Parts: sequence; structure tokens; C-alpha cells
Amino acid sequence: EAEVAQSPRYKITEKSQAVAFWCDPISGHATLYWYRQILGQGPELLVQFQDESVVDDSQLPKDRFSAERLKGVDSTLKIQPAELGDSAMYLCASSLGGRAFNEQFFGPGTRLTVL
Amino acid sequence: GQNIDQPTEMTATEGAIVQINCTYQTSGFNGLFWYQQHAGEAPTFLSYNVLDGLEEKGRFSSFLSRSKGYSYLLLKELQMKDSASYLCAVADLTGGGNKLTFGTGTQLKVEL
Repeated sequence: EAEVAQSPRYKITEKSQAVAFWCDPISGHATLYWYRQILGQGPELLVQFQDESVVDDSQLPKDRFSAERLKGVDSTLKIQPAELGDSAMYLCASSLGGRAFNEQFFGPGTRLTVL
Repeated sequence: GQNIDQPTEMTATEGAIVQINCTYQTSGFNGLFWYQQHAGEAPTFLSYNVLDGLEEKGRFSSFLSRSKGYSYLLLKELQMKDSASYLCAVADLTGGGNKLTFGTGTQLKVEL
């Protein structure tokens, strides 16, 4: 069964350092999402891609976060510099895309701890 | 903007039935999703409602009333493995994307 792949699964870093997360969506999925989930809360959308284009990055803290999906396949989310409040689970999801119902499939996530 | 409200915690007994409610306010409504999330794991899809009424899938059912901005997830014949967080999420078409906004989740504990 096809799955969304993410790496690393766990990342510990010190504040002010740079971190990067990678996501490989299910083959053929045009839409890719990055979410941040703080413990005890629901996932919050950071950025949404349709192919290589950003559709929604209204909740992305652009002073320190960046995301790219250069070839419209895999994607990288970067934080520079990391802050203590960035400690969270970072989830990637993908879907076929389009305006009709399309289930979002989630990857296993990257748990980030900033010390 | 969107506002999604669901209870923080619920406790139920193995073999029983539990109903988890979700209320929402949104524009550009394009459906309501329920996801299950076990601790430390990714959310997994349970159900999708876009029209009013009840959708049944095995032990799980989901109901939607668009006029009331209300949904519930019904879990029957509860098992210990059903202990998890249940996330209500609303799909919104405004802004050009099919965006999901999640509630904070309801932590369900199933006891013997």
C-alpha cells in the first residue's frame, strides 16, 4: 500500500540552529500539505502545494519557515533559526487534489524538540 | 475564519457506545472529516460527510447537519484499541485550495 514518507522521524536541535524536514507524497498526488501539531491540539496547516505552486501559506511564519516543492513531487520544510516554541510534530499529507472530496493521507510525522 | 468545537476528553466502557460531537462555523463548506489519531502516530481517515445524514462504516458512523453546523461520530461495540484522539476537521474551499481545519481533538479513553 502506498504511503507518505517523511524523514527524519525525530529531530533534536538547539535553538537558533537550522532544521529541515523531507516529505515524499504518494505517487500521483498533486496536492501536498505541511501541518504542525502541538501536543494536545489538532494539526494546523502551515503550507499547501498544488504541484509545485503554493496554494496557501497564510499560517506559515515566513520570517523563519520556508517550504519548497521544486519538481512538484517531494518537498522540504525548513526552519531557520529554530525557537523553543517550534517543538511539535510536523506532519506531511498528500491528496489527489482538486476541489471535490479527496482524502488526505498523512505521513508518520517528524517530532521536533528544540532545546 | 473557522471555529471548530469538540469536547476535550471522554471516557467510555468496553462494549458500550459513545458519541463524540463537533460543532463548526465556516464559509465555503466542502465537507466534514473525522480522523483517528493514536498517541505519537499520524491521523488516519475515518469518515467524510458532505450531505446531511448518517454515513455508516462498520462500527463507526458519522452524522452531519449543515444547517446546524453539527456533526457527530458514533462508535459502537467499543474496544480497548479505540482509545485515541478523534479529530473533527472541516474542508473549506475559500482561497482556492481544499483546506482542512482541524479541531483540537477529543481524547477517548476506553476502560474495562
